[in-house]
Amino acid sequence: QAVVTQEPSLTVSPGGTVTLTCGSSTGAVTSSHYPYWLQQKPGQAPRTLIYDTSNKHSWTPARFSGSLLGGKAALTLSGAQPEDEADYYCLLSYSGAVVFGGGTKLTVL
Amino acid sequence: EEQLVESGGGLVQPGGSLRLSCTASGFTFSSQNMNWVRQAPGKGLEWLSFISGSSDVIVYADSVKGRFTISRDNAKNSLYLQLNSLRDEDTAVYYCARGEGSSWFYHWGQGTLVTVSS
Repeated sequence: QAVVTQEPSLTVSPGGTVTLTCGSSTGAVTSSHYPYWLQQKPGQAPRTLIYDTSNKHSWTPARFSGSLLGGKAALTLSGAQPEDEADYYCLLSYSGAVVFGGGTKLTVL
Repeated sequence: EEQLVESGGGLVQPGGSLRLSCTASGFTFSSQNMNWVRQAPGKGLEWLSFISGSSDVIVYADSVKGRFTISRDNAKNSLYLQLNSLRDEDTAVYYCARGEGSSWFYHWGQGTLVTVSS
């Protein structure tokens, strides 16, 4: 089974910009992996922010954006807010099967 | 208002079985694909299984293939996950999530806790 890798932790200053990445053990991440990004706060269920690389849901704040960057999927947060402190998970699809990354703990400090 | 409510979790002994349910409301359940995902205490998310709206496509993660069975009853707006031969490492919060259009994980339930322990 493929392994999906994320940074274990990142820190961003309030108002700052940070990019989280999502890599695949099988090679470059492409749009055919349909990358997703989810946010999870302590004690809450996950919430999907980005699907299919860069598509947003109605509830996704405009400061979040998804892309492909250097062979990985990327989630960029521009203008970080204190409420963005959370765990962020990416997921990739491999011919119908889904694999989550280990998650990135984002601290806004 | 749309809702996904998981139930059926609890304490079970190793080797035992449990059937989880996810009851949907506020949307056309039969039209949507569904997934089960779990999260062990303090750990990350793990995808378990997918079922299409008409149950004609079912996919499992290798880690649960042969032990877990996904199903749905569209007349009852319900999704199920049968857990068999449970192990300590199956202890987790189990979430159901529904799709919408091309988003496979559009909305999530709040989860139900399964604890496998003797």
